[in-house]
Amino acid sequence: EAQVTQNPRYLITVTGKKLTVTCSQNMNHEYMSWYRQDPGLGLRQIYYSMNVEVTDKGDVPEGYKVSRKEKRNFPLILESPSPNQTSLYFCASSPLAALYEQYFGPGTRLTVT
Amino acid sequence: RKEVEQDPGPFNVPEGATVAFNCTYSNSASQSFFWYRQDCRKEPKLLMSVYSSGNEDGRFTAQLNRASQYISLLIRDSKLSDSATYLCVVKENNLFFGTGTRLTVIP
Repeated sequence: EAQVTQNPRYLITVTGKKLTVTCSQNMNHEYMSWYRQDPGLGLRQIYYSMNVEVTDKGDVPEGYKVSRKEKRNFPLILESPSPNQTSLYFCASSPLAALYEQYFGPGTRLTVT
Repeated sequence: RKEVEQDPGPFNVPEGATVAFNCTYSNSASQSFFWYRQDCRKEPKLLMSVYSSGNEDGRFTAQLNRASQYISLLIRDSKLSDSATYLCVVKENNLFFGTGTRLTVIP
């Protein structure tokens, strides 16, 4: 089954404790992206990647890191989480030629206390 | 100024009603446009593309007005299952999502 998976789905952590949210897709997509979704602000892009070893900042990259060492994986790293990073996070992927058709993962609800 | 702006709603309509959402975009050079649907606590999914000539898919009609830089989505004969948030999306070199318009169809 073609899908984008994210882990964990839910996470409660404390300020300053490094964490990684994994994202994996099995569709051989070149493009992958991370978004956060907050009430009233909609989906905002954090980072995106057009292919392996190529990553770019989105609209709200501060406090996040990503890497793209393999085509299928695009982990999101929070080196020192803060309460303002409490949010719903989505990973998405698509073929480069069909950017409009983003396949989203199920989301990760993160709470930082 | 935001790339894409939508009325957040909520729109509460009775079953069978016709409802329309509008979305405006700021960049006149934007290339293409789409509507996504997001059910409560779920991931967004592509609903339909928006073509210059308009696009109809069953009860759903999407239209583009380039001169006024707005996109619309019309839903006819609303069903309970249409209850969701509808996201307007604009493609330039990347994708830009609107904040979404929430629709609730009431029995």
